[in-house]
Amino acid sequence: AQSVAQPEDQVNVAEGNPLTVKCTYSVSGNPYLFWYVQYPNRGLQFLLKYITGDNLVKGSYGFEAEFNKSQTSFHLKKPSALVSDSALYFCASRGYAGNMLTFGGGTRLMVKP
Amino acid sequence: DTGVSQDPRHKITKRGQNVTFRCDPISEHNRLYWYRQTLGQGPEFLTYFQNEAQLEKSRLLSDRFSAERPKGSFSTLEIQRTEQGDSAMYLCASSLDLRRTTDTQYFGPGTRLTVL
Repeated sequence: AQSVAQPEDQVNVAEGNPLTVKCTYSVSGNPYLFWYVQYPNRGLQFLLKYITGDNLVKGSYGFEAEFNKSQTSFHLKKPSALVSDSALYFCASRGYAGNMLTFGGGTRLMVKP
Repeated sequence: DTGVSQDPRHKITKRGQNVTFRCDPISEHNRLYWYRQTLGQGPEFLTYFQNEAQLEKSRLLSDRFSAERPKGSFSTLEIQRTEQGDSAMYLCASSLDLRRTTDTQYFGPGTRLTVL
């Protein structure tokens, strides 16, 4: 069975500072990992994914994520946060044998001016 | 707009009524997914179609829930005899199966269901 954990319900960061949103996973076999962002009353927008290869994945809006197999983590990062980055962020995994995504509980990112 | 669309965006119904939601995927996408998201939680998988075939169903999908994708294009999700516990956001996603392990799911705006 797969599971994804986002240990922080909320992350607060000042505008212009770097941000990290944490994600750990438990997947049998090679993991396929995703980050999505959700704005109020909206669906999920795809940010980036890790399938194989380079451990540092670059995505939309200046976000990147680092895959760490030994720590089973896939943390989302951005060098300089914007107020408009404030939203709900979801990490998700997809096992090799299935097609469904398993989501973490979400982390609310608050970027203050 | 060529993204995933869902209709209606909001639905309020009384307990015991039937409701039906529609999802139109991105036009060339052959895979379509339904998820349910309750307040403060991540989305949970309900079911998945490859073209018109329903290939996976979650245990969350009780016998009151039924989904169809009759011509491999749009899909409908019907909930019969709604219960208050069905109140949630119902999300639809679609993807293009080029290589099975790399397709990305793109989500629609969701249908928010409130059961009174």
